Amino acid sequence: GDSVTQMEGPVTLSEEAFLTINCTYTATGYPSLFWYVQYPGEGLQLLLKATKADDKGSNKGFEATYRKETTSFHLEKGSVQVSDSAVYFCALSFTNAGGTSYGKLTFGQGTILTVHP
Amino acid sequence: GAGVSQSPSNKVTEKGKDVELRCDPISGHTALYWYRQSLGQGLEFLIYFQGNSAPDKSGLPSDRFSAERTGGSVSTLTIQRTQQEDSAVYLCASSVEGLLLYGYTFGSGTRLTVV
Repeated sequence: GDSVTQMEGPVTLSEEAFLTINCTYTATGYPSLFWYVQYPGEGLQLLLKATKADDKGSNKGFEATYRKETTSFHLEKGSVQVSDSAVYFCALSFTNAGGTSYGKLTFGQGTILTVHP
Repeated sequence: GAGVSQSPSNKVTEKGKDVELRCDPISGHTALYWYRQSLGQGLEFLIYFQGNSAPDKSGLPSDRFSAERTGGSVSTLTIQRTQQEDSAVYLCASSVEGLLLYGYTFGSGTRLTVV
């Protein structure tokens, strides 16, 4: 079955450090890939997405590139801030060419990020 | 409403009791999803509603779990004869039908503790 494997945390960084959170997936076909973020006390929010190979999703200084050859979607940010402290989830789902989903997301385990001043 | 609303936000129940968790999706969102977030288990899909019907309920862990949706809006997840392993945060999400490219909108969840 489909699965997502994330780099285990927790990850602790100093402000302005470079961030990488690894994500690899196993799936039949070509899924759409997502990063979700959960800030303390809040619900999950979509951070960025990519729907086909070589697409780069970006938002709030975060980026991730859909690499079909390595089945990966690593999350990166050049300079983290204290406000980026949260739990980050990589996820996949299947969509057809029209963007219609097959209904569910498969999530990774989540990575806790803590950024210190 | 402006977002997905879940109630209660916290629930403590005794083992063996039944509980009901409620989800109010965003108005006009015809797709509704329930997930469970357990410590060390990540997020598990439970059930997907398209309108009032559930084309995918493959994630419900046992027959103690059931869910319904009425009027294409509010959904209730019911857990009968709760067990300690049911302790988790139950998340609801809604989206415009099928348009997963825009992502779901998640509620803040119901934290269920079975003692």
